[in-house]
Amino acid sequence: DTEVTQTPKHLVMGMTNKKSLKCEQHMGHRAMYWYKQKAKKPPELMFVYSYEKLSINESVPSRFSPECPNSSLLNLHLHALQPEDSALYLCASSQDHTGSSYEQYFGPGTRLTVT
Amino acid sequence: QKEVEQNSGPLSVPEGAIASLNCTYSDRGSQSFFWYRQYSGKSPELIMFIYSNGDKEDGRFTAQLNKASQYVSLLIRDSQPSDSATYLCAVNVGGYSTLTFGKGTMLLVSP
Repeated sequence: DTEVTQTPKHLVMGMTNKKSLKCEQHMGHRAMYWYKQKAKKPPELMFVYSYEKLSINESVPSRFSPECPNSSLLNLHLHALQPEDSALYLCASSQDHTGSSYEQYFGPGTRLTVT
Repeated sequence: QKEVEQNSGPLSVPEGAIASLNCTYSDRGSQSFFWYRQYSGKSPELIMFIYSNGDKEDGRFTAQLNKASQYVSLLIRDSQPSDSATYLCAVNVGGYSTLTFGKGTMLLVSP
C-alpha cells in the first residue's frame, strides 16, 4: 500500500485567514515532505521532516509553518498568505531521508487559492 | 548547481507505438533516478525508479540508465491514449533523498 492522503482537496482562503493542510501516511515511512507546485512547473521542495524532526527548510517564508505531530501526520499551517501562494500543495513520504535510494510517494494534493 | 534537463515536448506518438522520453543530469554524484507520471490537475505518480546502470523493465515501461553519459530514459511500449500525461524525471544525489526534478515532458498519444 503506497497511499498518502491529504485534506482538504480544495481550499479557498483570504489573505487574513489562518488555515491548515493535513497529510497522513500509514506506510511506516519516517520521512515526510511538503512541496509546492505551480501550473506547468515541477514540484518545489518546501520542507522535509525526518523522524518527526524538521530536517530541511528551503528558505520558505514564515507564513508557512510546518508541524509533524507524529510519524504518520504532517501539517502545514498557513497564515497571511499572498495571492501568489496559490498553487497545488503536495505531501510526500519515503521510507527514510538519510540515503538516496528511497522512493517518494505523493499524496493527491491540496489545491489552494488565495483571494 | 544540480540540473535535470528534459525536452518539454509535446512528444506526439500514435497509439501502439513506442514513446521514448529522455532526461540528462549534470551532477555526476547522482545515485537514484525516478520517473513520475502526472496527469493534468493531479499529483505526480511514481512509475519507475532505477539505481544501477542498465535497463529495468516493469510491464510496458522500461527505464534505462547510463551514468557515464549522465542520461536516463523511459520507454513506453504499446502506448495508449491513457498514457497521455506529463512525465517528470527526478534525480537525487547521495546523502539525502532530496529530489531535483526536470521540467517534465508532455506526452500525447493519439488514437
